[in-house]
This record gives sequence, C-alpha cells and structure tokens, in this order.
Amino acid sequence: GQQLNQSPQSMFIQEGEDVSMNCTSSSIFNTWLWYKQDPGEGPVLLIALYKAGELTSNGRLTAQFGITRKDSFLNISASIPSDVGIYFCAGRKDIQGAQKLVFGQGTRLTINP
Amino acid sequence: SQTIHQWPATLVQPVGSPLSLECTVEGTSNPNLYWYRQAAGRGLQLLFYSVGIGQISSEVPQNLSASRPQDRQFILSSKKLLLSDSGFYLCAWRRRGAGNTIYFGEGSWLTVV
Repeated sequence: GQQLNQSPQSMFIQEGEDVSMNCTSSSIFNTWLWYKQDPGEGPVLLIALYKAGELTSNGRLTAQFGITRKDSFLNISASIPSDVGIYFCAGRKDIQGAQKLVFGQGTRLTINP
Repeated sequence: SQTIHQWPATLVQPVGSPLSLECTVEGTSNPNLYWYRQAAGRGLQLLFYSVGIGQISSEVPQNLSASRPQDRQFILSSKKLLLSDSGFYLCAWRRRGAGNTIYFGEGSWLTVV
C-alpha cells in the first residue's frame, strides 16, 4: 500500500535538544496528522493540520502543513525523556465516504539523559 | 466521551489456527471503523474499513477478513493463520463528518508460531 516518505527513520539526541522530522508524498492530502506511539500501545494523536500553510502548536510541539499539500514537518523543542517513542505522520484522503489515512514509516526518537 | 477497546491484547497462535480479534467503540454511533496492521519497525498499513453494519472494504489482498455485525463492533478474523500474519493490529474509529480525525485502540500483538 501507499506510504509516505518520513525522515529521519531514527534520532538519537540529548535531553533538551530540539527535534525536527518531516514527511513528503507524491500525492496531495487534505489533512496531515502527527501521532506518537509508545511501545506496545496504539498511536495517540498529537497534532492535526487541515489547511495548506497551517502552522499549529501543541505545547512544545509545532507542526506545519506544507503549502503544496504534499509535505509536513513536526518540531519538538527542548526534548524531555517522555518524548521517547515513535512518531508517525499520516495523510488523510476521503474515499467513498471513508476517511483513510496513509502513514509514514515512523521516526524512532531516543533521548539520552 | 468516546472510547475504543480491542482484545485480546496479546495472542500467540500456531500456524494454521483461526484468529478472532474484536474491537468495540463506546460513546458514539455509526462510526467509521478501521483495522490497521503494523509490522515490526514499520508504519501502519490499512487492512479494512467499514462505513456501516455489514459494509466492509478491503485495502490489500490477504489471509484476513473483517466483519461488522453491530454498529460499534468490528472483528478481524482468519480461518488459517500464516507466519506472515504476525504483527501489531490496531483498530481505529472516526466520527462521521468532515474534519474528524481517526483515533486508535490499544492494539493487539499477534505472534504466529
């Protein structure tokens, strides 16, 4: 199935550093979503972006919906240990009344104290 | 508030045995329902989605099937499991209407041995 190109695949950073990850696609999406997944659990929604060019913040997280509607980035400022996990981007398409998400491969974030 | 539950949380099954994963949503009616699979270290792949009772759409040809016997119940099944069916299965739901996002259950770990 179609997937988004998410990078980097993994990051190893020091606590307190800022983090940046992004997703690109050859397709246009109506919505971009960013999820975080802790080990053994389902993904939890962090930020939803609905308009091209939109910049949205959620605490230390900031995400932007690319102007071309084919990309998005997520920034985390001043990382803390609980930020550890896998971050997924997802693009939304509406097909036959069902909202379907296409996911990136994930960015695994590891933080050294 | 709306909640989603799926079970069992973990399952170890021999090759060739049947499978049944169940998912229920509470606190909403007529949701769109989804089954995703996440292979180790990879993103989420949409397997099935449903816009109503008895209405199932399959995204990829596979050894699995899905059913929706009730409005808020979604079941993932297999008659004979394959080794390649191992993975982390996630049920998800979305409220009808534009702009609503998808929310995930806790996930079910399936290991086929």
